[in-house]
Parts: sequence; C-alpha cells; structure tokens
Amino acid sequence: NAGVTQTPKFQVLKTGQSMTLQCAQDMNHNSMYWYRQDPGMGLRLIYYSASEGTTDKGEVPNGYNVSRLNKREFSLRLESAAPSQTSVYFCASSEGQFSYGYTFGSGTRLTVV
Amino acid sequence: RKEVEQDPGPFNVPEGATVAFNCTYSNSASQSFFWYRQDCRKEPKLLMSVYSSGNEDGRFTAQLNRASQYISLLIRDSKLSDSATYLCVVNGSPNSGYALNFGKGTSLLVTP
Repeated sequence: NAGVTQTPKFQVLKTGQSMTLQCAQDMNHNSMYWYRQDPGMGLRLIYYSASEGTTDKGEVPNGYNVSRLNKREFSLRLESAAPSQTSVYFCASSEGQFSYGYTFGSGTRLTVV
Repeated sequence: RKEVEQDPGPFNVPEGATVAFNCTYSNSASQSFFWYRQDCRKEPKLLMSVYSSGNEDGRFTAQLNRASQYISLLIRDSKLSDSATYLCVVNGSPNSGYALNFGKGTSLLVTP
C-alpha cells in the first residue's frame, strides 16, 4: 500500500545545477500533479498531467519541466536550479481531474544554495 | 484575490473544546470542496469532502454555503491529536484542468 512515492526526500543543490524529482503511484490513478509549498504561500501548482500522455502548466511553471513517463510515473525537472526554487515539493495523484481528492507523496525538501 | 482564503490562526483551544474554521472561495463555478489536514513537516492528507447538504464524520462536521461561497469545518470535543494545520481546498477552473486550489491553512493547537 505504497500510494505515492517520491524520491529523493532531501536534496541540496548549488545554483545552476540540475536535478529530477521522481514520483510514482501504484493506485492506477489517471491524473498526477506537482505542487510546491513555501512558508506563507500555501501549496501552488507547478504542472499537472490530466492523463497519461498529457502535461500542462499550472500557476508557477517557470524554471521547471515535467515528463509523464507512463501512467504510474510523473517526474519534475529543474534544469538550472535557483535559490528561489528552495521549497518543499509534493507530488499528488487522483483518480480523475474532477471531484476527487488527491493522495500526496511525502515530499522532497530541496535547498538551493 | 486569492482563490481560497482562510484565517491563518493560530487557534489555541483546550482539550474538549469545540472549534470552527471558515474559508471563502472566489470561483462560483467550483464543484468540489475538501478539507485536508497537514501535520508539521508532513504531506497534506484528505480529512473529508464537503457536500452541499453538509456532512459529518465523527467529531468533524463540514458545511458549504454556495450562495456565500463559504465553507466551514467544526471540530467537537477537540483532542490533542487534532493539533495540525487544516487546509481548505476547492477545485480550480477548466484552464487549470480543475486542479485543486489550496488555502494557506489554519493552524490549530489543542492544549491539555
């Protein structure tokens, strides 16, 4: 009963480095999401994938790219990390886009120095 | 205007107290409403969905007022374990794939 698994749990990057955050769900959910959470800002949507093969920008997509590798996996890539991307990143999945609650992964705490 | 607005608190209440949280949302076309709970340094977890007729789950009661675009959560007989941040959540517009919009959360501390 893994649910949504995110890796890594913690990461420190230097400015300009790149990295990929991995997310996988085992609930056969169609939709997947990436959010970031910053103090005082709440959760903000970065990108989402309504179904396998589609991805779309959310509220704060700049500096990120995503790949919906298959139905299970949805990765988030930072091509050139900036200190402003220091945050906690959460991946979530849901059965469908509408009227369904999300199941979240345990998060990735990223610090960019 | 933020999509979902909540009083950030903190709400400090004694064990056994009843506490209510409120939330307003801006998109009158929203159809899905939830309360999530988030413990410190943990992921958000679904507490309950909110239905038009109001709904109850044990000590928790959620209400929705579509005309006023207002959602509430009532916690009766508060327990120490209820201490957490409570997030009001509403679905977004078609432009965002109806992705959920989260309020910033209301912090609750239940004291002995």
